[in-house]
Amino acid sequence: DAKTTQPNSMESNEEEPVHLPCNHSTISGTDYIHWYRQLPSQGPEYVIHGLTSNVNNRMASLAIAEDRKSSTLILHRATLRDAAVYYCILRDGGSNSGYALNFGKGTSLLVTP
Amino acid sequence: DSGVTQTPKHLITATGQRVTLRCSPRSGDLSVYWYQQSLDQGLQFLIHYYNGEERAKGNILERFSAQQFPDLHSELNLSSLELGDSALYFCASSVGHQNTEAFFGQGTRLTVV
Repeated sequence: DAKTTQPNSMESNEEEPVHLPCNHSTISGTDYIHWYRQLPSQGPEYVIHGLTSNVNNRMASLAIAEDRKSSTLILHRATLRDAAVYYCILRDGGSNSGYALNFGKGTSLLVTP
Repeated sequence: DSGVTQTPKHLITATGQRVTLRCSPRSGDLSVYWYQQSLDQGLQFLIHYYNGEERAKGNILERFSAQQFPDLHSELNLSSLELGDSALYFCASSVGHQNTEAFFGQGTRLTVV
């Protein structure tokens, strides 16, 4: 699977939007961009995924660059509960190897009141 | 609550021993994945089962083995335990084996003393 690059950590104020960047310059045409997060002492939790178009769900929005070499996870109003490690993962949609996600180091998001 | 159940939550055992970790996937999910999370290695994919058959192997040691039973629950067996095997072990499940969302359990914390 192609690699992703994320900042080690970011900080945000509560109730403000947060933009978490991810670079994936070697992405292939069949790679989906997935985001997971892991709250302290919990298992990872699915956030959102997309292929080419921007995606929205109840948790977040995913903005994908036109050349797909980067993407941004957008939390519209950060809450204290959003403090977690956020992982950007590429997953080959054509692979038959299941959901063997390659988690990197992720971005540790700190939300301050 | 993700719907994935892992037991036990905590396990303390001595070096050289053997333990079994259990995972019950979400109702209807045919795929089960095992991950190991240690402080220095992050989240590492171990193995994937789909409807009772092994589908993919990651960084799983020969001392470790897994299986998925007809009722779709899965067990991860760890033998000849070493201090370095101390980690959080997560199980995840998904509906199929293609590009679908995965749901993670709360993990089993294994401490080898």
